[in-house]
Amino acid sequence: SAVISQKPSRDICQRGTSLTIQCQVDSQVTMMFWYRQQPGQSLTLIATANQGSEATYESGFVIDKFPISRPNLTFSTLTVSNMSPEDSSIYLCSVVSGSKTDTQYFGPGTRLTVL
Amino acid sequence: AQTVTQSQPEMSVQEAETVTLSCTYDTSENNYYLFWYKQPPSRQMILVIRQEAYKQQNATENRFSVNFQKAAKSFSLKISDSQLGDTAMYFCAFMKHVGTYKYIFGTGTRLKVLA
Repeated sequence: SAVISQKPSRDICQRGTSLTIQCQVDSQVTMMFWYRQQPGQSLTLIATANQGSEATYESGFVIDKFPISRPNLTFSTLTVSNMSPEDSSIYLCSVVSGSKTDTQYFGPGTRLTVL
Repeated sequence: AQTVTQSQPEMSVQEAETVTLSCTYDTSENNYYLFWYKQPPSRQMILVIRQEAYKQQNATENRFSVNFQKAAKSFSLKISDSQLGDTAMYFCAFMKHVGTYKYIFGTGTRLKVLA
């Protein structure tokens, strides 16, 4: 399976600021996704990162709050904009690659705390 | 709409014993995929096992096996010879066979293996 890294692994940010999270894969992948996991909760899909075009957002998530870029087949960024304490979560990227197009592999996650 | 239910928020098992985590789902699809993921305190989501709905045979991966009951829409995970390293959150997930590769996750079961 693909090796996925995320930067930063954790951060503490002030209210009203923005943070950009990077997801890097060691090989070209078909699909990339961004998830949010609020404390003690399950994973919620934020959006599908589309290579060369605008991301596809799930209900309840908007581009102004969570802009996403995917300039190529191995890299994507998620920005959490104008943060509030409610944005404190783990943010995970996942990928679909290779022959198992039904299986997602996850990055190690970014733990974000907003004060 | 598809839903995934994990009715056991927390479970514990003695080391070397066997434990079964339950998962039920609701879908009108005939072909789909089911997964179990493990999330230890390090927060990395790790694929444990996957099951293709059109396969009758239950999937197995070393000490992990599933009991897939398609008619009952049940997909339980059995962990044999439990080890301390199995302590983690376990998430059940569903994906349609044809579509956007999106997962629907259950709420998770926190498993603690006791020495």
